[in-house]
Amino acid sequence: DADVTQTPRNRITKTGKRIMLECSQTKGHDRMYWYRQDPGLGLRLIYYSFDVKDINKGEISDGYSVSRQAQAKFSLSLESAIPNQTALYFCATSENGANYGYTFGSGTRLTVV
Amino acid sequence: QKEVEQNSGPLSVPEGAIASLNCTYSDRGSQSFFWYRQYSGKSPELIMSIYSNGDKEDGRFTAQLNKASQYVSLLIRDSQPSDSATYLCAGTRAGNEKLTFGTGTRLTIIP
Repeated sequence: DADVTQTPRNRITKTGKRIMLECSQTKGHDRMYWYRQDPGLGLRLIYYSFDVKDINKGEISDGYSVSRQAQAKFSLSLESAIPNQTALYFCATSENGANYGYTFGSGTRLTVV
Repeated sequence: QKEVEQNSGPLSVPEGAIASLNCTYSDRGSQSFFWYRQYSGKSPELIMSIYSNGDKEDGRFTAQLNKASQYVSLLIRDSQPSDSATYLCAGTRAGNEKLTFGTGTRLTIIP
């Protein structure tokens, strides 16, 4: 089984719908992150969490919310999806901060129509 | 100015040659740097990390860091078709909790 698991792998949703992307990890890492990737724009940070009680906004948090249900689980929600949220979404984890790099999940390809 | 900049490519290199990928960064406080490989539609995979000035070698890969010039590079020797991918450069400050990524360079190895 993968160390960092994202569900669903692919999702098509309609404008205005609420959608949740889920991430779970078995690495025992405290730090978890949500990024989106768009062609030409690279990976951009949406939210990150250092532990269950610590949630931080990234550079593009508008239109998104997150929940850290447990050390191993970090969910990303789009409260009212819009077409420009169509992207590839990655969850990542790190041990002891970013100085050791991240482990990424396999990604969720989200299409908002 | 982006914090981490890469030439988007595409960069085409013949099989067996050396591929050279470059990255510059604007934050002089950046201490740790990483190279990720990403195949199309897949997640980024960490292939090299570098923290000190100079070269760091791992198999066919060599990462180079020059903090004075704010420059990071990745050399791939004896390039193989399986090296065809997008390579992401990322950096972070000491004690920082998040990485800043470049937009990636697409590398194609020509058989």
